[in-house]
Amino acid sequence: EVQLVESGGGLVKPGGSLRLSCATSGFTFSPYRMNWVRQAPGKGLEWVSSISSSSSYIYYADSVKGRFTVSRDNAKNSLYLQMNSLRAEDTAVYYCARDRWHDSSGYIDHWGLGTLVTVSS
Amino acid sequence: SYELTQSPSVSVAPGQTATIACGGNDIGSKSVHWYQQKPGQAPVLVVHDESDRPSGIPERFSGSNSANTATLTISRVEAGDEADYYCQVWDSRRDRMVFGGGTKLTVL
Repeated sequence: EVQLVESGGGLVKPGGSLRLSCATSGFTFSPYRMNWVRQAPGKGLEWVSSISSSSSYIYYADSVKGRFTVSRDNAKNSLYLQMNSLRAEDTAVYYCARDRWHDSSGYIDHWGLGTLVTVSS
Repeated sequence: SYELTQSPSVSVAPGQTATIACGGNDIGSKSVHWYQQKPGQAPVLVVHDESDRPSGIPERFSGSNSANTATLTISRVEAGDEADYYCQVWDSRRDRMVFGGGTKLTVL
């Protein structure tokens, strides 16, 4: 069974930093592109970042570019999101999500349960 | 930037057919994917690549895509189908994943 388990969320002050982790199991992690997707309270889904299987291709939403850094460790079957200079508008549930990439298009076939990040003074 | 537009809400009686639209410029040339999200839960993929269903998703869920509108159709709607539904594409011009704003399906 595919499992994606996020951790590292919590309460942080504006301007602070947080590092999210996603531990995966139940599948071979290394060939898959991975994503972070977030959802602010009562709002819709917002894509944050994608990272290719070998970390060669990394993409960010404009809203987080320059502040967030995605990375992965294929030996540890894990995905990470380093979040710096956090703002109130970054408050959201952050989902780790496995991507199915083909023909220059991708969709998410498995999602974690999410971890809540709250940015507030 | 590429945008996807969804109506905020759709209501349908049990047993009837629900149609959820997703508008985007020339969306018919893109692969469209659909997710279902129930309150307090993570999203679940219900249709990918316009009309393909993952294993475990009922045949009642189907999709189509043409010109500027993609459509998710849920036949014989059940109370358990009540949820938010999101469409999604990959914007290859700007290398980003794009979600629609979501449609809340209410089963009357």
